[in-house]
Amino acid sequence: AQSVTQLGSHVSVSEGALVLLRCNYSSSVPPYLFWYVQYPNQGLQLLLKYTSAATLVKGINGFEAEFKKSETSFHLTKPSAHMSDAAEYFCAVSNAGGTSYGKLTFGQGTILTVHP
Amino acid sequence: NAGVTQTPKFQVLKTGQSMTLQCAQDMNHEYMSWYRQDPGMGLRLIHYSVGAGITDQGEVPNGYNVSRSTTEDFPLRLLSAAPSQTSVYFCASTFGIEQYFGPGTRLTVT
Repeated sequence: AQSVTQLGSHVSVSEGALVLLRCNYSSSVPPYLFWYVQYPNQGLQLLLKYTSAATLVKGINGFEAEFKKSETSFHLTKPSAHMSDAAEYFCAVSNAGGTSYGKLTFGQGTILTVHP
Repeated sequence: NAGVTQTPKFQVLKTGQSMTLQCAQDMNHEYMSWYRQDPGMGLRLIHYSVGAGITDQGEVPNGYNVSRSTTEDFPLRLLSAAPSQTSVYFCASTFGIEQYFGPGTRLTVT
């Protein structure tokens, strides 16, 4: 079984401030981890993914995430927030191998608000 | 390459009605999935398929039916709609470990 917990359903930052969105996972086998972004009334767009190649993963739009096995965490960061980053962000986990590739378990989502 | 397409974009049903949400992909992906998105609950897996003729249940399968007769299409059927099925539905196909999502169908059941 696998699960994802996103700490904080709403995060508010000022433009230019650090963005930190928290994600903790539970998995009985080595996980694949993902961050997705959803803009209002749109589908999901992949920001970045962890596949065990490197613990620090860089994604699109200046986002990055660090896999910390000891903390079972995969927090998403961006050094300087932009107004266009306002969206809902989802952390997700998938187990490697077998038919698990077709099954993602998502966190509850974090809505990011960016103030001018 | 259209990717993953879903129809309709919006739908309103009355309780007890049935309907089919359509999903198609032109990337020749074997794996396809259906999720529903509800506020504060993220996305939850309804059904998935690992290839034509093979489907299985996800986390929240009750009230939904699927079939996979071709690689391209993976329709989701609501047998007798209930207000609890008001949600946004996303279809996805998988290549490797990466899932590609459709634009979603917003369903309201009154």
